[in-house]
Amino acid sequence: NAGVMQNPRHLVRRRGQEARLRCSPVKGHSHVYWYRQLPEEGLKFMVYLQKENIIDESGMPKERFSAEFPKEGPSILRIQQVVRGDSAAYFCASSPGLLSYEQYFGPGTRLTVT
Amino acid sequence: GQNIDQPTEMTATEGAIVQINCTYQTSGFNGLFWYQQHAGEAPTFLSYNVLDGLEEKGRFSSFLSRSKGYSYLLLKELQMKDSASYLCAVRDSNYQLIWGAGTKLIIKP
Repeated sequence: NAGVMQNPRHLVRRRGQEARLRCSPVKGHSHVYWYRQLPEEGLKFMVYLQKENIIDESGMPKERFSAEFPKEGPSILRIQQVVRGDSAAYFCASSPGLLSYEQYFGPGTRLTVT
Repeated sequence: GQNIDQPTEMTATEGAIVQINCTYQTSGFNGLFWYQQHAGEAPTFLSYNVLDGLEEKGRFSSFLSRSKGYSYLLLKELQMKDSASYLCAVRDSNYQLIWGAGTKLIIKP
């Protein structure tokens, strides 16, 4: 009974490169959330997706960031032309439905931009 | 705007009781959550309150007053493993979670 899986766990990119973060939700969950967390800070909502649809991307920067959750396969958070300020932990969470009161978190991807 | 306030850091002694407060101002309310997060790990769910009152779950209890925009997490019989950050989050009218910055709890022997 696998939980939320994220890979890679650690990712190092040079400024200007692309970062691709993957999230496989709990089996049967169709709702995926991406969060960013800076050291010593709380979680910041980025985007909420259902299969093949972006429901709310109000927390995601308009430029360089994109997210998808295809019919088949994991959800992908893509950051183009990374900058030092993108260094953070990126957590994915899933839930079975909007009204479900619990979100299950993955272990996170720690992105370091050098 | 939407705002969740909780203390940045608290210190308590092993075996004692500690109360972590959370106040919120959000556009709508559809439940309040407490999560525990150990350093370098993912948050894990502790409790959920949607009605006023106290919810007890073992050593942990969570209280909610919607009229006051206030909640607390009560931890009893503290253990060293309880050293972690405790995150308060409120689900707003759009069913999105608004997160506080977390309270870092330090347990001393």
